[in-house]
Amino acid sequence: LAKTTQPISMDSYEGQEVNITCSHNNIATNDYITWYQQFPSQGPRFIIQGYKTKVTNEVASLFIPADRKSSTLSLPRVSLSDTAVYYCLVGGNNAGNMLTFGGGTRLMVKP
Amino acid sequence: EAQVTQNPRYLITVTGKKLTVTCSQNMNHEYMSWYRQDPGLGLRQIYYSMNVEVTDKGDVPEGYKVSRKEKRNFPLILESPSPNQTSLYFCASRGDGSYEQYFGPGTRLTVT
Repeated sequence: LAKTTQPISMDSYEGQEVNITCSHNNIATNDYITWYQQFPSQGPRFIIQGYKTKVTNEVASLFIPADRKSSTLSLPRVSLSDTAVYYCLVGGNNAGNMLTFGGGTRLMVKP
Repeated sequence: EAQVTQNPRYLITVTGKKLTVTCSQNMNHEYMSWYRQDPGLGLRQIYYSMNVEVTDKGDVPEGYKVSRKEKRNFPLILESPSPNQTSLYFCASRGDGSYEQYFGPGTRLTVT
């Protein structure tokens, strides 16, 4: 399974756009990129998933360059409630091992 | 409502006393998994199951057992708990062909 590297922590202010980048240099051809959000003492929650280029949903956007060795989760106009840990995962959906969570990025949104 | 449930949510026990944490999902998902989460170590997979009667070890299986006799249930068994198994445990499920895992609310286990 592809290993991922993310910043340990990031700070932002309410109303700003936040971009969290994940490196996955050994991503395989059939691997997808998935991001999760976790609040303290809660289970992670799926945010977005993509394979290449750009994916957008009601919560976030995911940008994936052509070489797919990295990806960027973009959160538009964050609020205090977006303070959480964000995990980047890489793997195939037919993997029995249900993907490996790295250390994640702890995002702190300040007023 | 689609959900993953775990019981108990909180448990304090003593070393060596066998315990079981139950996990159930109502989404007819094929894949189920158990994770433990410890400060500074993120989420680590303990065991996973691809379907009924099919289970396999994750990254940290020592000291744990699982079973998958029914599709909806995936209990985690600690035959002889030790203090190093004090942790926050999450059960998760996902459907075949999907990347979206659904997580339970977590079980906070303390072994003294």
